[in-house]
Amino acid sequence: DGGITQSPKYLFRKEGQNVTLSCEQNLNHDAMYWYRQDPGQGLRLIYYSQIVNDFQKGDIAEGYSVSREKKESFPLTVTSAQKNPTAFYLCASSYLNSPLHFGNGTRLTVT
Amino acid sequence: AQTVTQSQPEMSVQEAETVTLSCTYDTSENNYYLFWYKQPPSRQMILVIRQEAYKQQNATENRFSVNFQKAAKSFSLKISDSQLGDTAMYFCAFCMNRDDKIIFGKGTRLHILP
Repeated sequence: DGGITQSPKYLFRKEGQNVTLSCEQNLNHDAMYWYRQDPGQGLRLIYYSQIVNDFQKGDIAEGYSVSREKKESFPLTVTSAQKNPTAFYLCASSYLNSPLHFGNGTRLTVT
Repeated sequence: AQTVTQSQPEMSVQEAETVTLSCTYDTSENNYYLFWYKQPPSRQMILVIRQEAYKQQNATENRFSVNFQKAAKSFSLKISDSQLGDTAMYFCAFCMNRDDKIIFGKGTRLHILP
């Protein structure tokens, strides 16, 4: 079955540590996205990529980094520079202007 | 910059009633796409309905329909014969043709009461 896999579902880290969230898709979609969800804030775009080896900052890119070395993969690194990293992170992909396909999300808790 | 506004943070209706969720957006573009997504307690994002701006006819999907008013930049979602399973967060989203950046509103939490 085609889809998007985010792992792990829950992630715990100590403050000051970088952490990488995995996102893999087998839908052959060109575009991939990372969103952050906080209560009352909706989904805010962190980074997106429309093609391999290229990506753009979204509205809240500070403290995050991404790579797109393969079409299928778009990992997100939450760096120690992100001031408030505890959140629910959603990865998505799409083809042209088709609707987004979402992964099941990763809940990151930093203490 | 494009923005999406959902003015109702939370709503409650009785089962079997009809409910309308509001969404307005701001853009200077003429061609774009609009979406409604549902996020139940499982947190899985599910596409409810999609509307292309160049189509005048309102999109419908079974009990879900939209009222798309392009001039007013309004895109409301109507849920008919609401069911307990409709309880969820609902997000309105906007996407332009010339890039794939998709912008979401802050969501409306909908409670369907038995």
